Amino acid sequence: GAVVSQHPSWVICKSGTSVKIECRSLDFQATTMFWYRQFPKQSLMLMATSNEGSKATYEQGVEKDKFLINHASLTLSTLTVTSAHPEDSSFYICSATGTVVAQPQHFGDGTRLSIL
Amino acid sequence: KQEVTQIPAALSVPEGENLVLNCSFTDSAIYNLQWFRQDPGKGLTSLLLIQSSQREQTSGRLNASLDKSSGRSTLYIAASQPGDSATYLCAVSNFGNEKLTFGTGTRLTIIP
Repeated sequence: GAVVSQHPSWVICKSGTSVKIECRSLDFQATTMFWYRQFPKQSLMLMATSNEGSKATYEQGVEKDKFLINHASLTLSTLTVTSAHPEDSSFYICSATGTVVAQPQHFGDGTRLSIL
Repeated sequence: KQEVTQIPAALSVPEGENLVLNCSFTDSAIYNLQWFRQDPGKGLTSLLLIQSSQREQTSGRLNASLDKSSGRSTLYIAASQPGDSATYLCAVSNFGNEKLTFGTGTRLTIIP
């Protein structure tokens, strides 16, 4: 089945640094990728939707200058958390879907981000 | 705005029992509904996908039903096993290949 690879799986860094998370579709062309955030014991909340070659669409309340999303190819999307602070610590999960209508989203394994 | 609720938030049952997890959504104009499993600290595993025109889907010991008009879905797990312990999430899409709105999840514990 379709596989989505997310890297890194876990990162700890100091406050003020920027962190890049990669999401790759390994065996299909991902025309659309989604970035979700999950705080402890809460459900997933959509942050933004990215379509290959165009600017991402951010959900209300998500700072686009804080969470930079790039979807430059049909197999790769990146999320960069700029100048991260402790309140950005969370579990970030990407998903991808292809060109087939009603194709289910395929999820990565997530990235646990801890900002000290 | 679509809202998805899951009841109960947590459930513990002895091994071998059959159980039902519930999911309700406020906007019945959905495109499809998915059930996922999430193990602690891990990503999501898709269990079942039901299109809006379907009433149910089955995979092994799992059966998911959909009543779109009433805004409800259930996930039935037969002959539960300790390995079924996880958080179960339902999610709906209001348009094909579009974003998912997730429920609050049910944390399931199967007692050996």
